[in-house]
Amino acid sequence: GAGVSQSPSNKVTEKGKDVELRCDPISGHTALYWYRQSLGQGLEFLIYFQGNSAPDKSGLPSDRFSAERTGGSVSTLTIQRTQQEDSAVYLCASSDRDSLHEQYFGPGTRLTVT
Amino acid sequence: QKEVEQNSGPLSVPEGAIASLNCTYSDRGSQSFFWYRQYSGKSPELIMSIYSNGDKEDGRFTAQLNKASQYVSLLIRDSQPSDSATYLCAVTWGGADGLTFGKGTHLIIQP
Repeated sequence: GAGVSQSPSNKVTEKGKDVELRCDPISGHTALYWYRQSLGQGLEFLIYFQGNSAPDKSGLPSDRFSAERTGGSVSTLTIQRTQQEDSAVYLCASSDRDSLHEQYFGPGTRLTVT
Repeated sequence: QKEVEQNSGPLSVPEGAIASLNCTYSDRGSQSFFWYRQYSGKSPELIMSIYSNGDKEDGRFTAQLNKASQYVSLLIRDSQPSDSATYLCAVTWGGADGLTFGKGTHLIIQP
């Protein structure tokens, strides 16, 4: 079946602009996760959704970051007033209880803030 | 603070040999353990999961878990050049929860 999809694959934006990143999870997966991978850095967990609820938002780097999920499916990660340090690859993953919440990643969105 | 430690490498292994990758974690409450493979410029790909002490084999891959020592390893038998990648160890409390990743070990299989 189809895997996790993300759009756009690449995004170049000017400092101070807002950006929206989209994730479409594997069909039927109830949990959805956002991570960030910066050059030379490890994978950093940002937030996860169980259904449409995000139980813990403490991983978001600042209040410029927000995320929502509607209909238990598609999620958007919004970064307001982007800064150069926001440049990274933003990865989305999804999982399902039946597979013991093994997480499967999408291809990522490469965000460059100029 | 949950931490996952891996030797960054590079780890160079001759083709056909066994590659051994190691990972330690700090949180004794961790319940689920994963190995991901990441090729340069690509996203992580799940290759193994392990939840109980002992060994778990899948094809050329064997994951080993020792919760008392807070240690997870991945063995790759009959290493192939296509196995050259960065291998990421990840742990979680279990259930739907964010993964804590190590920084990865860069593995090079020499033909």
